[in-house]
Amino acid sequence: LAKTTQPISMDSYEGQEVNITCSHNNIATNDYITWYQQFPSQGPRFIIQGYKTKVTNEVASLFIPADRKSSTLSLPRVSLSDTAVYYCLEGTNAGKSTFGDGTTLTVKP
Amino acid sequence: DADVTQTPRNRITKTGKRIMLECSQTKGHDRMYWYRQDPGLGLRLIYYSFDVKDINKGEISDGYSVSRQAQAKFSLSLESAIPNQTALYFCATSDWGQAPNNEQFFGPGTRLTVL
Repeated sequence: LAKTTQPISMDSYEGQEVNITCSHNNIATNDYITWYQQFPSQGPRFIIQGYKTKVTNEVASLFIPADRKSSTLSLPRVSLSDTAVYYCLEGTNAGKSTFGDGTTLTVKP
Repeated sequence: DADVTQTPRNRITKTGKRIMLECSQTKGHDRMYWYRQDPGLGLRLIYYSFDVKDINKGEISDGYSVSRQAQAKFSLSLESAIPNQTALYFCATSDWGQAPNNEQFFGPGTRLTVL
């Protein structure tokens, strides 16, 4: 199962933009990049998914450069409630993707 | 009502006991998954099923078995529980062919403690 590499933790302050990077140097041609958010003692929740270039939805943006060896999740103007663990996954529609240890984001007042 | 439910939500058992964790979903998804999560770590895939007749081992299937009784039900069994199986267990579902690609929907989790 393909596994990605992310920073273990990040700190930010309310109102700032947060960018979390993910490395996936051996990403396969058919793999998508998907990000999930997890609060303590809850199941992960889907945030955003992309294949290449930039994807934006109501909560985040995802940028994947042309070589697709990395990706960046961007959270605009974070609040205290964005404190959570963020997981970057690579995988296909076959469902063979895996969660690494994620990035713990702490938003401070 | 929740789309993905898990029972029990909490369970304390003793070493050597057989335990079954159950997962039900009302989303109509074909694919279902079982994960475990240890404190401070990410989720690890135990088993997954792409339809009622399809069962696949994940990263850490040793010591576990599963049963896909129907499209909506996927059970995880620990035949003889041991303390290092103490963890938070999540069930998830996904739908093939729908965008976003293989988005997984998670249940609330079952906290299992093996003494």
